[in-house]
Amino acid sequence: ETGVTQTPRHLVMGMTNKKSLKCEQHLGHNAMYWYKQSAKKPLELMFVYNFKEQTENNSVPSRFSPECPNSSHLFLHLHTLQPEDSALYLCASSQDQGQNEKLFFGSGTQLSVL
Amino acid sequence: GESVGLHLPTLSVQEGDNSIINCAYSNSASDYFIWYKQESGKGPQFIIDIRSNMDKRQGQRVTVLLNKTVKHLSLQIAATQPGDSAVYFCAVPSNSGNTPLVFGKGTRLSVIA
Repeated sequence: ETGVTQTPRHLVMGMTNKKSLKCEQHLGHNAMYWYKQSAKKPLELMFVYNFKEQTENNSVPSRFSPECPNSSHLFLHLHTLQPEDSALYLCASSQDQGQNEKLFFGSGTQLSVL
Repeated sequence: GESVGLHLPTLSVQEGDNSIINCAYSNSASDYFIWYKQESGKGPQFIIDIRSNMDKRQGQRVTVLLNKTVKHLSLQIAATQPGDSAVYFCAVPSNSGNTPLVFGKGTRLSVIA
């Protein structure tokens, strides 16, 4: 276990649904991240939070809405997604935000949009 | 920005043989490098890291080699086992401020029993 827990592990949703992904880290880290992992593509950074404040939004469509109520919890709210949004969504944390920080990943949520 | 490339998307190795996975990076100022392992159904897991003031670092059955002259990084796995089957990613710092690591596309290692 890495100390980063994601739920649900699998999610199937229609394009008109609203759902949320949850991430919790038990490592006492200050920075949390959402990544998207699609087949045959590098990991894509979506959002970065540092001390609960969003510091990076990597040109992510507004149908993805992150929320970080505290340094231990991170959510990704999903609405009116498209089939091309189907992917593995990974949450990660690091002690602090920075270039040389080691990232600790959760197991991800495998999302299928029908 | 920084870019990371892997030489081979897939690698098949006989059980017991050594595996070598390669990675190239673009920024000569990069000073920290990490290898991650991602097994099926799991997120990437840290394996080993190395700083630019070293050219070799060893862990348990794994060795990372860094060649800063040609901006090349490799991961060597000794006596490869079936449990080593996974996708391996190298990661390097981004060029910009507080943005975290940049990942390569990954090499899928298959171990043949």
